[in-house]
Amino acid sequence: NAGVTQTPKFQVLKTGQSMTLQCAQDMNHNSMYWYRQDPGMGLRLIYYSASEGTTDKGEVPNGYNVSRLNKREFSLRLESAAPSQTSVYFCASNQGRSHTQYFGPGTRLTVL
Amino acid sequence: TQLLEQSPQFLSIQEGENLTVYCNSSSVFSSLQWYRQEPGEGPVLLVTVVTGGEVKKLKRLTFQFGDARKDSSLHITAAQPGDTGLYLCAEITGNQFYFGTGTSLTVIP
Repeated sequence: NAGVTQTPKFQVLKTGQSMTLQCAQDMNHNSMYWYRQDPGMGLRLIYYSASEGTTDKGEVPNGYNVSRLNKREFSLRLESAAPSQTSVYFCASNQGRSHTQYFGPGTRLTVL
Repeated sequence: TQLLEQSPQFLSIQEGENLTVYCNSSSVFSSLQWYRQEPGEGPVLLVTVVTGGEVKKLKRLTFQFGDARKDSSLHITAAQPGDTGLYLCAEITGNQFYFGTGTSLTVIP
């Protein structure tokens, strides 16, 4: 049971490049989330998916898109990366009324 | 969106000391969680509190939820180096979780 996995662990992009961050969970959870974490800012919600086939914007969705590929996988795409998107990105999941969120190990992204 | 303020932002103490960190909001929490995040890893849930005045204990950690449900505290007794990390509070609203800015704790051996 791997929990929540994220790839890649590190990534460096140039301004304007695109990339997709991958997230998968093996706990059969309905809900999945993408957060970014910046120094002094805590965790801010980018997008979430309450169930397979649905996605909703969080606090800071601009510049990002998401895809809930199936129940296990939830990807985050940066179409045209900007230096302001330099951050650590975390994926998380939880099951329905259970409020226990399980987090992945994070992806550290630098945009030059 | 609630603004969750955590204090202090940074805390450095000697092993064996006691400490308290705080999470405050201008609005009433529906329910509140505390997480600990170690360097290079994702946050891990410590506790969920839902009832005003509730107190929960987890070994040397004591969590309190204010009577008015607008504040919470985490007290650590006899801190150990393994307690080092970022402590985050989070409020649950529907399907969304809103996190505070965190308290970075360093326990010096």
